[in-house]
Amino acid sequence: DAKTTQPTSMDCAEGRAANLPCNHSTISGNEYVYWYRQIHSQGPQYIIHGLKNNETNEMASLIITEDRKSSTLILPHATLRDTAVYYCIPAISGNTPLVFGKGTRLSVIA
Amino acid sequence: DAGVIQSPRHEVTEMGQEVTLRCKPISGHDYLFWYRQTMMRGLELLIYFNNNVPIDDSGMPEDRFSAKMPNASFSTLKIQPSEPRDSAVYFCASSLADNLVNTEAFFGQGTRLTVV
Repeated sequence: DAKTTQPTSMDCAEGRAANLPCNHSTISGNEYVYWYRQIHSQGPQYIIHGLKNNETNEMASLIITEDRKSSTLILPHATLRDTAVYYCIPAISGNTPLVFGKGTRLSVIA
Repeated sequence: DAGVIQSPRHEVTEMGQEVTLRCKPISGHDYLFWYRQTMMRGLELLIYFNNNVPIDDSGMPEDRFSAKMPNASFSTLKIQPSEPRDSAVYFCASSLADNLVNTEAFFGQGTRLTVV
């Protein structure tokens, strides 16, 4: 059974905010929500993670619903270099083996 | 640090040959993961180590696959004999166990294996 549900693909205009949703309705109480992305021909790259509070770093913001059943990754000003597959992954910690789903293929368009 | 280093970046081999993929984790990291990525199956965990000890190898597809971590700075993934269906991109990742700070996994650039 899939642990997460994400849109297969999304488009975003360059300079606009990209909002990537993820449903993780079966997330456990001790699991964080991790987001990774994979740019073509590269290894996955960590973006951000959170437990229940919203989080922000230099790359993105993470909004987690109060019931923790879904979250949204926000890239505030998408650039062409943000074109990638984005994965939402519940995990107990960063040392837990990551279970990758199919992710969302984000295309940033000039 | 140069990050997780994998070698070779590309490998083409004939069916039946032995293939060895190499990984140098980030210095000081105590977890090491091997993943495989194909179009059909996506990214799958093969095996992971903690302090050089294999913790879970249930993702290793069959006995033809083996992985070792002889020391904290080196790991190998060996396929013997190789088959065309082993063609994939193999990623190595490492992370640091730290009870005080949440951590993340750092991935290498991958090894693209083609078995003909």
